[in-house]
Amino acid sequence: DGGITQSPKYLFRKEGQNVTLSCEQNLNHDAMYWYRQDPGQGLRLIYYSQIVNDFQKGDIAEGYSVSREKKESFPLTVTSAQKNPTAFYLCASSRGGPLLYNEQFFGPGTRLTVL
Amino acid sequence: QKEVEQNSGPLSVPEGAIASLNCTYSDRGSQSFFWYRQYSGKSPELIMSIYSNGDKEDGRFTAQLNKASQYVSLLIRDSQPSDSATYLCAVKGITGNQFYFGTGTSLTVIP
Repeated sequence: DGGITQSPKYLFRKEGQNVTLSCEQNLNHDAMYWYRQDPGQGLRLIYYSQIVNDFQKGDIAEGYSVSREKKESFPLTVTSAQKNPTAFYLCASSRGGPLLYNEQFFGPGTRLTVL
Repeated sequence: QKEVEQNSGPLSVPEGAIASLNCTYSDRGSQSFFWYRQYSGKSPELIMSIYSNGDKEDGRFTAQLNKASQYVSLLIRDSQPSDSATYLCAVKGITGNQFYFGTGTSLTVIP
């Protein structure tokens, strides 16, 4: 089955802790993305990567870090510097490049709660 | 700043009616447009993509694109209670690989 997996589904963090959210895809997509969604809100872009070993900040990158060491994987670390991390985190991927027909697909999400 | 605007709703329609969801975008050169359905507590699911002016039909769903008016819409015919969800409009940026999302329209189909 081709798709995007995220783990864990639910994550609880104590204040001051760093946590890492996993995202893996087997769609052979070049581009991967992390979004944050707050209740009743739209999607806000945290980071995105168009190719291995390269990534760009999105609109709300402060307090987050990413790596892209493999094409299939794009983990997101929520650091203690992120003041309000409780949210629904969504990973997505697309083929990337200048292709016109370039759809973006989402993983099932990780719901992070700060205790 | 690229903007995608949607009416937040809520939009309520009776079962069997046509639901019409609208979206406008600011970047005139945009070429790729998408509609996602998001059930409460779940991730967005791609239901339609459209790249050319006019209509594109897929089952009960029709996407309509008018690039001159910078307007894209989604029609859901014979609406069912299972269509009750938030519908997100997305536009792919001209340069780079960013996608820009509206805040979504909440649809409720009343049995």
